[in-house]
Amino acid sequence: GENVEQHPSTLSVQEGDSAVIKCTYSDSASNYFPWYKQELGKGPQLIIDIRSNVGEKKDQRIAVTLNKTAKHFSLHITETQPEDSAVYFCAASDNQGGKLIFGQGTELSVKP
Amino acid sequence: NAGVMQNPRHLVRRRGQEARLRCSPMKGHSHVYWYRQLPEEGLKFMVYLQKENIIDESGMPKERFSAEFPKEGPSILRIQQVVRGDSAAYFCASSPGSDSPLHFGNGTRLTVT
Repeated sequence: GENVEQHPSTLSVQEGDSAVIKCTYSDSASNYFPWYKQELGKGPQLIIDIRSNVGEKKDQRIAVTLNKTAKHFSLHITETQPEDSAVYFCAASDNQGGKLIFGQGTELSVKP
Repeated sequence: NAGVMQNPRHLVRRRGQEARLRCSPMKGHSHVYWYRQLPEEGLKFMVYLQKENIIDESGMPKERFSAEFPKEGPSILRIQQVVRGDSAAYFCASSPGSDSPLHFGNGTRLTVT
């Protein structure tokens, strides 16, 4: 089955700097790659996603890149703000359809 | 349009009791997924259901755990004879189809004493 590895596990940046989180996946048949933000005491919230027919997608300060050949994808947050502090999860679709397999999470801390 | 609703938000059970967790998907969503999250860990898939059908239960423990999504009413995750190791946050997600984004509820935090 699909396996997703996520790095780093913790990331601390200064306000205004950029943050990059990277994930690799094992199943070349995966075709959907979402990113979720989880704040304390809440459920994961979808912030951006990308499908395998696209190499890059951007939404304001957030962008995601996908390299299908290398089976890795990354989340880029520019001009970070303290409210970006949260745990971020990457995920990949399972080749049997439907469910997502999640990475281990990255705790992002943005210091004012 | 209300999001995915889970209740209760917090549930305390003694060892050996039963825990019932409920999930109402977003309006128009017929696909439901249950995930478990241990402290400072990622989300582990448990089960994927459509109305009246279990599609994938590859992440469900073989014993004591069951899930249903009846024609009417919420999806239910049932844990019988709970043990301390069942303490975790249980999240439900829904989607309108198998190739659509998942939307999560705020979870039920189960504590077994």
